[in-house]
Amino acid sequence: NAGVTQTPKFQVLKTGQSMTLQCAQDMNHNSMYWYRQDPGMGLRLIYYSASEGTTDKGEVPNGYNVSRLNKREFSLRLESAAPSQTSVYFCASARQYFGPGTRLTVT
Amino acid sequence: GQQVMQIPQYQHVQEGEDFTTYCNSSTTLSNIQWYKQRPGGHPVFLIQLVKSGEVKKQKRLTFQFGEAKKNSSLHITATQTTDVGTYFCAGVSGGGTSYGKLTFGQGTILTVHP
Repeated sequence: NAGVTQTPKFQVLKTGQSMTLQCAQDMNHNSMYWYRQDPGMGLRLIYYSASEGTTDKGEVPNGYNVSRLNKREFSLRLESAAPSQTSVYFCASARQYFGPGTRLTVT
Repeated sequence: GQQVMQIPQYQHVQEGEDFTTYCNSSTTLSNIQWYKQRPGGHPVFLIQLVKSGEVKKQKRLTFQFGEAKKNSSLHITATQTTDVGTYFCAGVSGGGTSYGKLTFGQGTILTVHP
């Protein structure tokens, strides 16, 4: 039972590049979430999925898209990365189970 | 929108001293959760408070939810070096459904000097 897994752990992108952050959970939870964490800002919700097939915007959705591929997987895509998206990204399931995070730097 | 403010932002204590962090919401919450994040780690769920005036204890940690369900506190008695990390509160408003959104406070960074 791995809980919530995220890939990659680290990533460096150039401005304008795109990438997808992957998240999977094996706890059979309906809801999944994407947060970003910046120093002094706490965690801010980007998008969430209440159940398979549904997604909704959170507090800071601009510049991101998500896909709830199935009950297990919830991906976050940056179509054209910007330096302001440099952050640590956490995926969570059932609100309270967090993955290890992806540390993203955009130069 | 809903705002959750947490103070203090930083707290330095000597090992054995007590520590308290406070959380205040701009709106009434259906429940509040507390998390701990070790340096370089991910948030780890500690507890959820649901009832007005609720007090829960976990060993040296005491959690309180205010009567108006707009504020909360976490108190650690006799801190240890293992308590080092950032403590976050996160509030849920609007019915507390299982997929309700959490609004996080900015966190309190606790440093414990041996």
